Amino acid sequence: AQSVTQLDSHVSVSEGTPVLLRCNYSSSYSPSLFWYVQHPNKGLQLLLKYTSAATLVKGINGFEAEFKKSETSFHLTKPSAHMSDAAEYFCVVSDLYGNKLVFGAGTILRVKS
Amino acid sequence: NAGVTQTPKFRILKIGQSMTLQCTQDMNHNYMYWYRQDPGMGLKLIYYSVGAGITDKGEVPNGYNVSRSTTEDFPLRLELAAPSQTSVYFCATSTLEGSNQPQHFGDGTRLSIL
Repeated sequence: AQSVTQLDSHVSVSEGTPVLLRCNYSSSYSPSLFWYVQHPNKGLQLLLKYTSAATLVKGINGFEAEFKKSETSFHLTKPSAHMSDAAEYFCVVSDLYGNKLVFGAGTILRVKS
Repeated sequence: NAGVTQTPKFRILKIGQSMTLQCTQDMNHNYMYWYRQDPGMGLKLIYYSVGAGITDKGEVPNGYNVSRSTTEDFPLRLELAAPSQTSVYFCATSTLEGSNQPQHFGDGTRLSIL
């Protein structure tokens, strides 16, 4: 069975500094991986997805993630944090057929001014 | 531009009461899902549907029922509310075309059982 581990429950950065949210996955097949963002009192919004094409995936709002099979990782990065990035971020892996998702526990990103 | 609409946004129930959480979509997506979100736990799949007339259990289906009579609507029913069902519930949809399509989420229903 597939699973996802988000290594940090909370991350705090200063505005203008880089963001790194860490995610490791476990899958018995070549996975599809996603990052979703959730702002307070809102539903989840897709940031980016990896589906076995380029290993470096670019998403919305300047975020990107790199798929590293040897490390079973899919970390999310952004060069410069903005106040509006403060939210909860979920790393997600899909099942074999791509229609059911398994969510990590989430990482809450705080951005300090 | 409605997308996925969930009603109500908030609800307080007494133990043993029943209610239906509504989810409707206007994107003509075949796949629909119900999740619950508890603090520090991510989202857990309750039920899903691959099309009208077809539903299946997810990871945490106990205490819930669903139906899918139309493509647009996928209501979630709680028959005998229990405190353990206090949670935020999200409905989501995705397309049939190809696998690994992103899911589109509603804004959630915040449910408290007292």
